[in-house]
Amino acid sequence: DAGVIQSPRHEVTEMGQEVTLRCKPISGHNSLFWYRQTMMRGLELLIYFNNNVPIDDSGMPEDRFSAKMPNASFSTLKIQPSEPRDSAVYFCASSPIGPNYGYTFGSGTRLTVV
Amino acid sequence: KQEVTQIPAALSVPEGENLVLNCSFTDSAIYNLQWFRQDPGKGLTSLLLIQSSQREQTSGRLNASLDKSSGRSTLYIAASQPGDSATYLCALSTGKLIFGQGTTLQVKP
Repeated sequence: DAGVIQSPRHEVTEMGQEVTLRCKPISGHNSLFWYRQTMMRGLELLIYFNNNVPIDDSGMPEDRFSAKMPNASFSTLKIQPSEPRDSAVYFCASSPIGPNYGYTFGSGTRLTVV
Repeated sequence: KQEVTQIPAALSVPEGENLVLNCSFTDSAIYNLQWFRQDPGKGLTSLLLIQSSQREQTSGRLNASLDKSSGRSTLYIAASQPGDSATYLCALSTGKLIFGQGTTLQVKP
């Protein structure tokens, strides 16, 4: 299994541009999570999906952030327009649904907005 | 609201020491608890997963315990090595994963 795959690994963009981060979960994992990590705030949950349906998006900081999961093998996190304070590492994680399972994280996307 | 606290925030020890990292949480209604390791600039690697009904899990030199009644978990690292230097994160699952701020460990040769 290739694990959770995120792309791109690094993204540098100018303020005001649209940014799209991508995630492919582990096959068979029905839950998908997007996290953001910064030095100041640590790891924050942005949104998670069960069976492709958004369950909790209370961590999405602003309307500039949106996430979709059109099918079981793909999810996107979009920021439009991007701002310098969005600079962070964005992680995607997946797990099977249920209380007995752990989470597997991707390698992350390091976003820099200049 | 579930809060997860890790103490200490940073720890520096000489090689060979046994050490304990602490994690406390406010709500015992959890599915499981997971310990992760994060190297600088890297992703999260799962170390141990303890189910809600379990008291401990072991993997090699690592042992994690869980006491839901007191809201505590510990990660014990035996015979520490410089390669153990990393940030260790405790995370609670309640359907979603809630993280502590981590303990940054430095093991000096």
